[in-house]
Amino acid sequence: EAQVTQNPRYLITVTGKKLTVTCSQNMNHEYMSWYRQDPGLGLRQIYYSMNVEVTDKGDVPEGYKVSRKEKRNFPLILESPSPNQTSLYFCASRVSLASRGGYTFGSGTRLTVV
Amino acid sequence: DAKTTQPPSMDCAEGRAANLPCNHSTISGNEYVYWYRQIHSQGPQYIIHGLKNNETNEMASLIITEDRKSSTLILPHATLRDTAVYYCIVPSGGSQGNLIFGKGTKLSVKP
Repeated sequence: EAQVTQNPRYLITVTGKKLTVTCSQNMNHEYMSWYRQDPGLGLRQIYYSMNVEVTDKGDVPEGYKVSRKEKRNFPLILESPSPNQTSLYFCASRVSLASRGGYTFGSGTRLTVV
Repeated sequence: DAKTTQPPSMDCAEGRAANLPCNHSTISGNEYVYWYRQIHSQGPQYIIHGLKNNETNEMASLIITEDRKSSTLILPHATLRDTAVYYCIVPSGGSQGNLIFGKGTKLSVKP
């Protein structure tokens, strides 16, 4: 089944403890992206990647890092999480930036930073 | 992204067609209209997209007016599982793939 898989689904962590949220897609998509969703603010793009080794900032990149060493994986790294990064996170992928098809989203990761 | 306007909420009886409108009066000639939905806190789900012709797939139909300033998403036989927030999005060419999700329409399908 074509899908985007995020792990973990739920995570509670403490301020300052580095964490990684993994994202993997099995559709050979070039374009991948991370969003966070907060009440009243909707979904906002954090980082995106147009292909392997090509990443760029979205609207809210502060406090996050990403890497794209392989086409299928696009991990989101929080080097020193803070409570304002408590949010619902979604990874998404698409054939390519230029394609007209829709995005496939993962099931989400609910992160709580205390 | 071209600005879109959707009603905040709609109700629909189970088994009936749900017609969700969207205004996008500032859309440019080569911009597509996309529809997604989000059920509770699940990941958004792509539904359909179109440029100017009406489109249909296994999930829904998309009707775009001739002037392209508005569109309607049609769920032909709504079920309780179609209860969700529906988003109409018109990404701009320079957005680098960033989807701007507005507030969408909360569709409640009732028995």
